[in-house]
Amino acid sequence: SQQGEEDPQALSIQEGENATMNCSYKTSINNLQWYRQNSGRGLVHLILIRSNEREKHSGRLRVTLDTSKKSSSLLITASRAADTASYFCATDAETGANNLFFGTGTRLTVIP
Amino acid sequence: DADVTQTPRNRITKTGKRIMLECSQTKGHDRMYWYRQDPGLGLRLIYYSFDVKDINKGEISDGYSVSRQAQAKFSLSLESAIPNQTALYFCATSGYGGRDSDTQYFGPGTRLTVL
Repeated sequence: SQQGEEDPQALSIQEGENATMNCSYKTSINNLQWYRQNSGRGLVHLILIRSNEREKHSGRLRVTLDTSKKSSSLLITASRAADTASYFCATDAETGANNLFFGTGTRLTVIP
Repeated sequence: DADVTQTPRNRITKTGKRIMLECSQTKGHDRMYWYRQDPGLGLRLIYYSFDVKDINKGEISDGYSVSRQAQAKFSLSLESAIPNQTALYFCATSGYGGRDSDTQYFGPGTRLTVL
């Protein structure tokens, strides 16, 4: 079974607005990662947050992690048309095996 | 040049045929993975390998086999393809130890259609 579930499944916003995507997971983790996928292409790593961190920033990205609620959010500020993609959260499930469990993704559309 | 490459990029085959998907990487990573992606289901792990002598089953290994020919090469085989193996297949790599050892680097994917 998959570890993560993203919400919403699809999100459509105007360029310049902020986009927030949420991820919930089921078991304890060492870290949580967010990846981006442009249509039909490989996934690209965006940001990693460890279980002892609560918030992390990278450029226009802000990720939060609440291990008590087993949830994370990804905020993209000042969105651009080029941000249009699917976004996936992935967790490692504390197996130590570096295996990632991916959620079903949020499809973000940024309208110019 | 891409760090993780996959061949072929697209393949159409018939039920019962044997198919091999190949993955090569120039990142020098020990760990390699094969995933499949189906619409609405995200990515699911098929097999993974932590070094040349190590092969492990993932979440959905039935109907698949793999070969780790070298550190840089990891192949996925469908011994007898069936239509529900129609999907997008991704290879990924990751390092061991170091600052970004938990990050996986993905190839561009292989779109496989089984008729």
